[in-house]
Order: sequence, then C-alpha cells, then structure tokens
Amino acid sequence: DVVMTQTPLSSPVTLGQPASISCRSSQSLLHSDGRTYLSWLQQRPGQPPRLLIYQISKRFSGVPDRFSGSGAGTDFTLKISRVEAEDVGVYYCMQATHFPAITFGQGTRLEIK
Amino acid sequence: EVQLLESGGGFVQPGGSLRLSCTTSGFTFRNYPMSWVRRAPGKGLEWVSSVNGVGGGGVTYHADSVKGRFTISRDDSKDTLYLQMNSLRVEDTAVYHCVKAGLFVEDKFEYWGQGALVTVSS
Repeated sequence: DVVMTQTPLSSPVTLGQPASISCRSSQSLLHSDGRTYLSWLQQRPGQPPRLLIYQISKRFSGVPDRFSGSGAGTDFTLKISRVEAEDVGVYYCMQATHFPAITFGQGTRLEIK
Repeated sequence: EVQLLESGGGFVQPGGSLRLSCTTSGFTFRNYPMSWVRRAPGKGLEWVSSVNGVGGGGVTYHADSVKGRFTISRDDSKDTLYLQMNSLRVEDTAVYHCVKAGLFVEDKFEYWGQGALVTVSS
C-alpha cells in the first residue's frame, strides 16, 4: 500500500499567523486518468472529519479561502494563510489514486500557542 | 442538506458480530458510491470498505485487514448503507464513519457521519 507521511506531527501556531503541513507519498499519486486524488481533511475535537481540499488544490464547498493546497507527484502541502481559533484539530492527507487501497497520513495536530 | 446517521455500534466479545447501518438523506443515494472509514483509539484514519453506486454496478471493495470478515452493502430502496462485521477482533475497536463519495470513490470523500463506536473486548 502507498504510505503517506505527514510532517510535522504537531504544529503550535500563533493566531493570525500562517501554518503549513506537508504530506509525502511513497509512490506517485498521478492517476492514469491524468488526475491526482490527493485530499486534505480536518477533524475538529468531537467532530467527524471534514473535507477541505480535493485533487491537490480544489477547495470543497464552504471551505474558507485561507485554506489552500499545492503539490504534485509525491509531495503535497496544505497551507493556512492566517490561523483562526476554529482551525484547531487534526489534519489528514488522504490518497485515493491507488484505490481500492486508500490510505491516510498519520495526522498533524494543529494547536494554538 | 446531506445527512448521514450511523447506528448499530456497541460492545461485543472477540469472535462476535455486529451490523452497522447508515441512514442517509439530502441526496439521491443510489447514484453515489459510499464508504466506511474507521478511527481506532489514539490512531489515525483507516479506510475499511467501499461500494459503487448504481452506475458502477454496486461493486464492493474491502481493505485487506477486514477482507473475508466484513461485508459492505446498500439498500437503495431505503437510502441505507450497511457494514456487516463478523469474527470481530480487539483491533477492530474504533469509531466507524459512513462517508459519501463524489461521482466515483476516488473522487472525494465529501460528507462524513458522526460515527458509531464499536468496542471489541473480552
């Protein structure tokens, strides 16, 4: 299976400052159809996961534009331009390119300093 | 508004069985692939199973860790997704989330239910 490695595993951030999370896959996530099925999910405390970004950089409905995704091949990044208190939680990258073996990163805990 | 509501979780001894249900509303259920994803205590997310919508022939897929023990199914007349879990193991203890995908499974995991807790212990 494709291994997804996130860094850092924990990220203390000051309110209003930017944050960045990296995700590296053990194999290319470029699908034979030309798309890259790399998503980012947010899980706030006590809540189910929520889709933020899909296909590397497409924001899902209702997601604030302070969230952005980038990358290609095996290296991907989620950026939050200005962290707000409601952004606290665990962030996961997820690949579905190699479906049916869908895999997730270990998760990155975002906390406020 | 898309809504997904899981039920059927609980406490079971190793070797036992449980069936999870996910009742849905707010979208045309039969047209969309659905999945189950779990999160064990203190661990990350793990994909469990997926089933195509009517356009994909209702084909099912399971992770190797549950293959032969779990079965995903759907009843399009009831807008409901199921996960039959047999031969349960301690390591199956987790919160199980029902997930609506986009047009096809790989597309995007759009909406997630709150989850059902399954505890396997002697």
